[in-house]
Amino acid sequence: SQTIHQWPATLVQPVGSPLSLECTVEGTSNPNLYWYRQAAGRGLQLLFYSVGIGQISSEVPQNLSASRPQDRQFILSSKKLLLSDSGFYLCAWRGPSASYEQYFGPGTRLTVT
Amino acid sequence: AQSVAQPEDQVNVAEGNPLTVKCTYSVSGNPYLFWYVQYPNRGLQFLLKYITGDNLVKGSYGFEAEFNKSQTSFHLKKPSALVSDSALYFCAVNTRFQKLVFGTGTRLLVSP
Repeated sequence: SQTIHQWPATLVQPVGSPLSLECTVEGTSNPNLYWYRQAAGRGLQLLFYSVGIGQISSEVPQNLSASRPQDRQFILSSKKLLLSDSGFYLCAWRGPSASYEQYFGPGTRLTVT
Repeated sequence: AQSVAQPEDQVNVAEGNPLTVKCTYSVSGNPYLFWYVQYPNRGLQFLLKYITGDNLVKGSYGFEAEFNKSQTSFHLKKPSALVSDSALYFCAVNTRFQKLVFGTGTRLLVSP
């Protein structure tokens, strides 16, 4: 069966510091991968998605970037965090077959101080 | 553009009563619709989807949803609510670019 991991689970970082969040998927090949941010426990904002290694689409221009160095690894980064980067970051995957739903990881709670 | 709307910020229901969480959609073409549930500080869990076929879709944990094309709705339902169903529920629609667009979420509170 497929499993998605995210780490760290929680993170407290000062303004101006770098960020690296990691997401890995097990049990599937060539998944579509997605990064979302959820603010204030409500709506989800799609940040990036990837349909293959090295292929990244950005949804919202901002202080963040994403990379996909391996088929089942998706990384969210920032060189200098802003207070507004605080939130709950969710990674999701979708299989390459006709299944349309996405499956989400457990999330990373980021607090920028 | 594809979109979904969840008109209720919160739904309150007593345990044992039926529950409905509303969702309406606006799409061009045939909609692919989804429901997810989120418990505090957790990721979203997939409940059910409508792609094609029967308008009544059954999903996890006793939930079901009814697709209504004329009313452009996809309401989530459960015949008998449990306290443990209390959570945040999201409706979503698939876009042509393999992305999901989510509603703003509805908080369900089931009282004992």
